[in-house]
Amino acid sequence: ETGVTQSPTHLIKTRGQQVTLRCSSQSGHNTVSWYQQALGQGPQFIFQYYREEENGRGNFPPRFSGLQFPNYSSELNVNALELDDSALYLCASSWGGGANTEAFFGQGTRLTVV
Amino acid sequence: GQNIDQPTEMTATEGAIVQINCTYQTSGFNGLFWYQQHAGEAPTFLSYNVLDGLEEKGRFSSFLSRSKGYSYLLLKELQMKDSASYLCAVRTASGGSYIPTFGRGTSLIVHP
Repeated sequence: ETGVTQSPTHLIKTRGQQVTLRCSSQSGHNTVSWYQQALGQGPQFIFQYYREEENGRGNFPPRFSGLQFPNYSSELNVNALELDDSALYLCASSWGGGANTEAFFGQGTRLTVV
Repeated sequence: GQNIDQPTEMTATEGAIVQINCTYQTSGFNGLFWYQQHAGEAPTFLSYNVLDGLEEKGRFSSFLSRSKGYSYLLLKELQMKDSASYLCAVRTASGGSYIPTFGRGTSLIVHP
């Protein structure tokens, strides 16, 4: 158990809707990264938050946005959901803005868009 | 962009040794990671290499050659519980940002 918790564990949404996923980082960690993992693929980096600011972003459109709170927990928001957004969304917690040598993943949120 | 290649699937026998290769093409290299992911679970960290050479941790070892854009993960004394997907990830650094890129993963099947 890594101490990184995500909610909800499963979610079904309709195309065009908006969704918010949540991640509580491990105690002492100030960096949260978000990933999208399609079935049979590796995780794809969405973005990273360090001390409440985005400090790295992958190749995802602006309808993917996020927040990090003063307690370093984080949210991932996806607007105008598309069928291809169906995936496992993982967050990873670490210390040091992404320059660390290890990140701890949560169990993920399985999002299904119908 | 980054390009990471690793085999899709490998099989091995319990007690044997298996080597999973990963090749990459990138700029701004800032480290290579290996993660293990069991089906339906979160990835767990196995190893990190930033300098050339071999890092050993128990039954698992990881090797890096930056000039060749090549890494491997070596698993010794295979156990059934080692059946999982093994993810190679390369981190790049640019302007204070650190961006990890994962490969598709290698599904390892260990049979008796």
